[in-house]
Amino acid sequence: DSGVTQTPKHLITATGQRVTLRCSPRSGDLSVYWYQQSLDQGLQFLIQYYNGEERAKGNILERFSAQQFPDLHSELNLSSLELGDSALYFCASSGGLRQRLTNTIYFGEGSWLTVV
Amino acid sequence: ELKVEQNPLFLSMQEGKNYTIYCNYSTTSDRLYWYRQDPGKSLESLFVLLSNGAVKQEGRLMASLDTKARLSTLHITAAVHDLSATYFCAVDMSGSNSGYALNFGKGTSLLVTP
Repeated sequence: DSGVTQTPKHLITATGQRVTLRCSPRSGDLSVYWYQQSLDQGLQFLIQYYNGEERAKGNILERFSAQQFPDLHSELNLSSLELGDSALYFCASSGGLRQRLTNTIYFGEGSWLTVV
Repeated sequence: ELKVEQNPLFLSMQEGKNYTIYCNYSTTSDRLYWYRQDPGKSLESLFVLLSNGAVKQEGRLMASLDTKARLSTLHITAAVHDLSATYFCAVDMSGSNSGYALNFGKGTSLLVTP
């Protein structure tokens, strides 16, 4: 158990709908990351938040958005869903600045999203 | 754009044999990660390599990093069936002091057979 908690574990929804994926980082970790894993695109970095602020952005679609709340949990919002959005969405977390040099990034179990 | 290439992408090996997975990346980075993923499961951190010449070992797995050649290797010694999984290398592309943006390779699917 990495200590990173994601909900829901599985989600089936229709095209055009909107879903929210939730992530609780490991205790004490300030950074939260979102990744998408699909068969055709592999593992792709979407976005990173550090202590509530967006710090890095990857291949995140405009239909997707995220935020990190004061209690450090994060949500990834996916809207106007398309079939191609079906994927495994991972949240990961890592520690603060002082831990950077030895920092490991811990991944949650993922949220399986199926768009039908 | 940072590219991370792993080879081979598929590897079938016999128990007891040795093999090496290679990870090449296209731009400089000060850290490289190796992860293991079992089917349908999360990513398990294996190694974090932080400097040129870094070598880390855990059980039958040993990882090394050559930043000048932009190459990391994951060496498997005397493979056992439990090592069957997909192995990913990932390179930090952020250059940030407040986190990491990992660019993953496509993964190497390893199958260890009797």
